[in-house]
Amino acid sequence: GAGVSQSPSNKVTEKGKDVELRCDPISGHTALYWYRQSLGQGLEFLIYFQGNSAPDKSGLPSDRFSAERTGGSVSTLTIQRTQQEDSAVYLCASSLPGQGVGGTEAFFGQGTRLTVV
Amino acid sequence: GNSVTQMEGPVTLSEEAFLTINCTYTATGYPSLFWYVQYPGEGLQLLLKATKADDKGSNKGFEATYRKETTSFHLEKGSVQVSDSAVYFCALSDLDNQGGKLIFGQGTELSVKP
Repeated sequence: GAGVSQSPSNKVTEKGKDVELRCDPISGHTALYWYRQSLGQGLEFLIYFQGNSAPDKSGLPSDRFSAERTGGSVSTLTIQRTQQEDSAVYLCASSLPGQGVGGTEAFFGQGTRLTVV
Repeated sequence: GNSVTQMEGPVTLSEEAFLTINCTYTATGYPSLFWYVQYPGEGLQLLLKATKADDKGSNKGFEATYRKETTSFHLEKGSVQVSDSAVYFCALSDLDNQGGKLIFGQGTELSVKP
């Protein structure tokens, strides 16, 4: 597609339910990132994929959070037994892999606004 | 570990004022540095970047210079417009791992009044 696509754009769920958030990266982008943006907070890194593997999961807040990526493309972020503090905008981004010190531009989706009630 | 610190907002300026948003970083190696912008109701988008020391990134009248000696990447614009109102994020690419994970500052909200 033309850009990074995330679905759903909005999700309201009851506390204790599981939710799945989906990200479709830009075609050919092997790197994929999940971030969380809470009200009044900055961007909190969650997990990074290179292809289907996740060399850095250090940002996942708890074992209720997990993510997978299949076929080097679509990624799903799953939050089990949601809590109110999980309410935030979940952002996905993709990029070409880094090349030495060249750095890479990340392209962001519009995000999924999750509200846990 | 690597980190980015930005000046706290919100920053409120009058149209045509000079803008500086401070950004400093801590990193091992030689990261690339970025400024991303989030306009109201929109997703994050790259504003400018610099990949090595003394490089100057520029776009839409904004500029920032990669200063290794002061570990800074301050964002500047000579004359802001109402349309520049947005949240600005400084970021670096973390090359400790394979690939380019981005580490962001906390964001600085800019409000420009007519």
